[in-house]
Amino acid sequence: DTGVSQNPRHKITKRGQNVTFRCDPISEHNRLYWYRQTLGQGPEFLTYFQNEAQLEKSRLLSDRFSAERPKGSFSTLEIQRTEQGDSAMYLCASSSKKLTGPTYEQYFGPGTRLTVT
Amino acid sequence: GNSVTQMEGPVTLSEEAFLTINCTYTATGYPSLFWYVQYPGEGLQLLLKATKADDKGSNKGFEATYRKETTSFHLEKGSVQVSDSAVYFCALRKDAGNMLTFGGGTRLMVKP
Repeated sequence: DTGVSQNPRHKITKRGQNVTFRCDPISEHNRLYWYRQTLGQGPEFLTYFQNEAQLEKSRLLSDRFSAERPKGSFSTLEIQRTEQGDSAMYLCASSSKKLTGPTYEQYFGPGTRLTVT
Repeated sequence: GNSVTQMEGPVTLSEEAFLTINCTYTATGYPSLFWYVQYPGEGLQLLLKATKADDKGSNKGFEATYRKETTSFHLEKGSVQVSDSAVYFCALRKDAGNMLTFGGGTRLMVKP
């Protein structure tokens, strides 16, 4: 069990550019979540997947944001036409009923810090 | 909607002092409650949890009791250490497998 990994750890981009982040969940975890955390705030939910199906999206997830989990393993989060307000830490978490019992405990990755200049 | 409110920090304590970080929540039904900790430069780690009223979660000397009558889940530790310096987040989850709703976080600084 290597934990949840995220790449890259840091990304600096110019306003208007597109960026893509990757999350690799704990092996065999069937649920994967994306959150956004701005400085001094708690994480806010963006979206989550069960296997390859995207089950819920927050209203925070504008049409410039898209997330995929094509084979039910890793996931990508893409932000198109980035804005300065997108600067934040993007967190990924995964969970599984099978491995963690009935409570679906979420295990978080280290995050990708995005800075839009 | 669901929400979590926790005391604003920073909380500054001397080593071996008693710690309380207040957390209250708003939710319908019976959410599960969590405390997560974020050490400097690291990701969020689950510290403890409680899934039903009157449950007490505990880990590493930290405790929190799920109080439905006061909709609270206050974090306590009898004697803090410098290594406990971190940001602590209270969170709730309505249904198993669903998203977490976090409070704003409370920074704890423990001085030797």
